[in-house]
Amino acid sequence: EPEVTQTPSHQVTQMGQEVILRCVPISNHLYFYWYRQILGQKVEFLVSFYNNEISEKSEIFDDQFSVERPDGSNFTLKIRSTKLEDSAMYFCASSSELLGNTIYFGEGSWLTVV
Amino acid sequence: SQQGEEDPQALSIQEGENATMNCSYKTSINNLQWYRQNSGRGLVHLILIRSNEREKHSGRLRVTLDTSKKSSSLLITASRAADTASYFCATDAGTYKYIFGTGTRLKVLA
Repeated sequence: EPEVTQTPSHQVTQMGQEVILRCVPISNHLYFYWYRQILGQKVEFLVSFYNNEISEKSEIFDDQFSVERPDGSNFTLKIRSTKLEDSAMYFCASSSELLGNTIYFGEGSWLTVV
Repeated sequence: SQQGEEDPQALSIQEGENATMNCSYKTSINNLQWYRQNSGRGLVHLILIRSNEREKHSGRLRVTLDTSKKSSSLLITASRAADTASYFCATDAGTYKYIFGTGTRLKVLA
């Protein structure tokens, strides 16, 4: 069964450093998402992406965050200058159509900012 | 406002029993999805139910949707220890996103 893959599975970074989290969505999917989950808390929407541009973003997704689809397969989340409070599990997801379809999630990337 | 809140927050049952989790939401929706998350792992999709559907089944899972009450329930029948996980509902809250609830932590005791 096709799946969303994410790398790295775990990254530790110094506060202030830039981090890039990578995702390979399911191949025929057109809509891409990033969510995050701070330890023990709910899953929070960050951003959705379609047709090479951001469709919607939350208030969490401020100027330190950016997303990119650099080629036909990868979808990346960049955090420019990490803060301690950015420590969380970051989930990439994709769907083949807009809301009426299932959103498939990857296993996540644990980010620890020290 | 909170879009999607599950109750109970935590549920502990014996293997073989049924587990029922509820999700309430505040605004109109087109679809509602249920997900399972094992500790520290990704979100596994269970069922999507559309606003014009009232009930869906998948194996031991039964999901109901009552749009008049803005609520949904997930029933797991004949639970197993492997069902131990957190369960989340997610509702569409805009054109391009789903919003997750706070989740129910289910523990099935062998």
